[in-house]
Amino acid sequence: DTGVSQDPRHKITKRGQNVTFRCDPISEHNRLYWYRQTLGQGPEFLTYFQNEAQLEKSRLLSDRFSAERPKGSFSTLEIQRTEQGDSAMYLCASSLDRPVKANEKLFFGSGTQLSVL
Amino acid sequence: QQPVQSPQAVILREGEDAVINCSSSKALYSVHWYRQKHGEAPIFLMILLKGGEQKGHDKISASFNEKKQQSSLYLTASQLSYSGTYFCGTAIQGAQKLVFGQGTRLTINP
Repeated sequence: DTGVSQDPRHKITKRGQNVTFRCDPISEHNRLYWYRQTLGQGPEFLTYFQNEAQLEKSRLLSDRFSAERPKGSFSTLEIQRTEQGDSAMYLCASSLDRPVKANEKLFFGSGTQLSVL
Repeated sequence: QQPVQSPQAVILREGEDAVINCSSSKALYSVHWYRQKHGEAPIFLMILLKGGEQKGHDKISASFNEKKQQSSLYLTASQLSYSGTYFCGTAIQGAQKLVFGQGTRLTINP
């Protein structure tokens, strides 16, 4: 497998601008997750997709955030009207099935580091 | 609810052992362990399911005590390559996602 890829690796933007990140999961993986990670903290769940359906969103995800996974392949995460508090590493992960099943590990991408000035 | 990891940081010399704990207030169904090096993606280490099994590969092993809702990661005879931040990710029965702890930073010195 080629792994999970994310683009861009780094994004610097000014407060108030919109940004969009892309995630390409492992091709046969049905599930795709978005997490956010700030310095010194663990990954924090944002949302997940089962194929093209977005099945759960964290209450942390304000209406400025939107995610899509058209055709159940790649996914995009858009943040509108960015704020300084949005600065973080945005991680994408994929898996074949639910993480409670044996051997259903998450494969993470290297993330997109967002800096909002 | 986020699991709690302890300690928050550990500094060892090469060859020493370490134990990292992960505790939850909820009844857990599975615990995942991942390691992340600075600027890199978290890498999967192992999964433990309800049942208290112990797993391991090479010199890294883990246990899951479902009565205590606690998992421990054991690193024996640590190597320089073990340095990084270790995260536990937990799931309750029926969960669709992992909830990660805040991480334990492990530094191995020569």
